[in-house]
Amino acid sequence: DAKTTQPNSMESNEEEPVHLPCNHSTISGTDYIHWYRQLPSQGPEYVIHGLTSNVNNRMASLAIAEDRKSSTLILHRATLRDAAVYYCILRDRPIEDSSYKLIFGSGTRLLVRP
Amino acid sequence: GAGVSQSPRYKVAKRGQDVALRCDPISGHVSLFWYQQALGQGPEFLTYFQNEAQLDKSGLPSDRFFAERPEGSVSTLKIQRTQQEDSAVYLCASSFRDTGYGYTFGSGTRLTVV
Repeated sequence: DAKTTQPNSMESNEEEPVHLPCNHSTISGTDYIHWYRQLPSQGPEYVIHGLTSNVNNRMASLAIAEDRKSSTLILHRATLRDAAVYYCILRDRPIEDSSYKLIFGSGTRLLVRP
Repeated sequence: GAGVSQSPRYKVAKRGQDVALRCDPISGHVSLFWYQQALGQGPEFLTYFQNEAQLDKSGLPSDRFFAERPEGSVSTLKIQRTQQEDSAVYLCASSFRDTGYGYTFGSGTRLTVV
């Protein structure tokens, strides 16, 4: 699986938007971009995923660069409950009977100031 | 249940002791994963089941680690002759289909080997 690069940490003020960057310059044409987050003392939680087009859901938005070498997770209004480690993960499309494991990096620790 | 349940939540083992960690996935979920997470790091893949078949065990660090899912639902991760470096949080995840998104993680079992 291709590798991703994320900042170790970021800070944000409550109720302000947050843009979490991820670089993946070696992404292949069939790699999906996934984002998970891990709140303290919990397991990771799915946030969003995409392939080429920008994606929106109730939790966040995913903006994917035209060349797909980078992407940005956008939290529109950060709350204290958004303080977590955010992981950007690349994974190829599912193949019959193959392992679909997610390879986690170190992620970005997001601190939200009240 | 509504989520992935792991037990025990905490386990303290003396070095050399055998331990068994249990994972109850969401009912009907075909795929099941085990991950190991050391303090301050991202989760690392251990093994993957599709129903009762263990299709990928490439992440198991040694032959002291063994996982099973005999009836395609509950899974057990067993660690024999525990060592201090086995101290970590062990996470279980399940999904209905292997798509890379929508994986549901449990809160994990924190294993401390003393």
